Amino acid sequence: AQSVAQPEDQVNVAEGNPLTVKCTYSVSGNPYLFWYVQYPNRGLQFLLKYITGDNLVKGSYGFEAEFNKSQTSFHLKKPSALVSDSALYFCAVSGLWDHTGKLIFGQGTTLQVKP
Amino acid sequence: DTAVSQTPKYLVTQMGNDKSIKCEQNLGHDTMYWYKQDSKKFLKIMFSYNNKELIINETVPNRFSPKSPDKAHLNLHINSLELGDSAVYFCASSWRDEQYFGPGTRLTVT
Repeated sequence: AQSVAQPEDQVNVAEGNPLTVKCTYSVSGNPYLFWYVQYPNRGLQFLLKYITGDNLVKGSYGFEAEFNKSQTSFHLKKPSALVSDSALYFCAVSGLWDHTGKLIFGQGTTLQVKP
Repeated sequence: DTAVSQTPKYLVTQMGNDKSIKCEQNLGHDTMYWYKQDSKKFLKIMFSYNNKELIINETVPNRFSPKSPDKAHLNLHINSLELGDSAVYFCASSWRDEQYFGPGTRLTVT
């Protein structure tokens, strides 16, 4: 079965410091990997995706993610965190095992950036 | 312009009632989805339509019935509401790989 794991319920970081939100996946075949962000009482917003090509993917708001096939990971990173980055982050996977495009989400990680 | 909109935003109702949530997208996408986010924030796909045809029907109780009158609309009707149906329901539409989510409908069943 296809699955995504985000091992940390919460990540705390000081403003200006680098941040990493972890994600690992388990799929058969090549995955399409995504990061979404959810601000309080809002819908999810697309941040970035990996389909193929360079393992380092750049996305919105200065975020980037690194695809690591050997470790089956797709960690989200940002060099310098902002208080406004505080939100709930979801890693998700989609793939060619079906053609529906459905997303399978991780459990979500709450990012708290403190001033 | 709102890309994916849902109505209502909040819905409070009693057990046993029937309710509907509406979703509309003005992005011209062919595929639309319903997701359920539970109290622990876990997100799970429920249904998907592609050009008015049902393509995903996860293990959802048959009290839930989606309807897509056209490719811009995907409604969700729920019969005989139960306490466990309380959640936030998100509609989404997609073009290629990216999904665009609506603001969500918070359903509270009392």
